[in-house]
Amino acid sequence: EVQLEESGGGLVKPGESLRLSCAASGFTFSNAWMTWVRQAPGKGLEWVGHVRSNGGTTDYAAPVKGRFTISRNDSINTLYLQMNSLKTEDTAIYYCTRYSAGFDPWGQGTLVTVSS
Amino acid sequence: DIVMTQSPDSLAVSLGERATINCKSSQSVLNSSNNKNYLAWYQQKPGQPPKLLIFWASTRESGVPDRFSGSGSATDFTLTISSLQAEDVAVYYCQQYFGLPLTFGGGTKVEIK
Repeated sequence: EVQLEESGGGLVKPGESLRLSCAASGFTFSNAWMTWVRQAPGKGLEWVGHVRSNGGTTDYAAPVKGRFTISRNDSINTLYLQMNSLKTEDTAIYYCTRYSAGFDPWGQGTLVTVSS
Repeated sequence: DIVMTQSPDSLAVSLGERATINCKSSQSVLNSSNNKNYLAWYQQKPGQPPKLLIFWASTRESGVPDRFSGSGSATDFTLTISSLQAEDVAVYYCQQYFGLPLTFGGGTKVEIK
């Protein structure tokens, strides 16, 4: 069964950092383009960025570029999202998902709350 | 950026009736080299992550009931639920994967009338 499981969310203050992880199973992780998508409370979906397979080139949405870093460890089938200089507007559920023709599957998400 | 605009924001449909959701992109998401529309549809039920329903604008994901269908090309797309069931109550999103940044529509909430 193809599965993704995020972890690492929590409550942090503005300006602080947090690292999210996403453990993958049931597919060849190293061949997959992996993506982070977030959803602010009661709002729609927002693409955060992705990391390509075979070399790990990354692309980011403008609101997070320069603050967030996506990386991967193919030896342990894990995706990461390092979030620095967090802002209150980064408060959201963060989902990891596999990118092919569309996003599938999705993890259950992990909640990040940025508040003083 | 390619802006995705969905309409309506919400709709209420009787059980067994048809539900139609529209999605318009600010520029074409049709790749003329392979004649594919880079457009997907998702269903999100309360408290759950999104679920991929349709990709390439009209290809149903494995396991998705055939009452869900996608149509359209270039800039105008439609998700149709041919006979609404109680379990279809959800928010539906379109998304383009033609160009960066990847973008979603604002969502359409489907309820039972």
